[in-house]
Amino acid sequence: GDSVTQMEGPVTLSEEAFLTINCTYTATGYPSLFWYVQYPGEGLQLLLKATKADDKGSNKGFEATYRKETTSFHLEKGSVQVSDSAVYFCALLNSGGYQKVTFGTGTKLQVIP
Amino acid sequence: DAGITQSPRYKITETGRQVTLMCHQTWSHSYMFWYRQDLGHGLRLIYYSAAADITDKGEVPDGYVVSRSKTENFPLTLESATRSQTSVYFCASSEAGRRDYGYTFGSGTRLTVV
Repeated sequence: GDSVTQMEGPVTLSEEAFLTINCTYTATGYPSLFWYVQYPGEGLQLLLKATKADDKGSNKGFEATYRKETTSFHLEKGSVQVSDSAVYFCALLNSGGYQKVTFGTGTKLQVIP
Repeated sequence: DAGITQSPRYKITETGRQVTLMCHQTWSHSYMFWYRQDLGHGLRLIYYSAAADITDKGEVPDGYVVSRSKTENFPLTLESATRSQTSVYFCASSEAGRRDYGYTFGSGTRLTVV
């Protein structure tokens, strides 16, 4: 079945540092890929998405590129801020069956001033 | 306002009591979902619904009941609450057939069973 693997957290960075959160997936066919962000005490929010190979999703300074050859969708940001502290979830949506999104386990990011 | 609303935001209940968590969405999305989020387990799907009167089990359905008589509402009932059901519960919705559209989540209900 489909699966998503994310790097273990927590990740602690200083403000203005470069962020990478690794995400790889296993799926048949051509899934759509997503990154969600969850701020403390809130629900998950869609951060960015990519629906086909080589697509780059971007939002709020975050980027991720859909790499089919390496089955990866790593999240990057050039300069993190304290306000980026949150839990980040990688996810995929495959075609067929019900509208099922498979989530990774989440990576907690803490940015310190 | 358009969106997905969960109520209550916080709930404390006693073991053995029945409790219902409410979820309401205003987009007329076909699909609705219930997840629980626990430390060390990530998000786990409890039940989902493809349309009114169509529901199906997810990964962890035991002890839960759902119904969907109207497209916009998807209540989750714990028939006899247990301490292991202490968790944060999220409702989500999605549009059928849209590959560029993931889920939209509610703000969650934090349930404590004492």
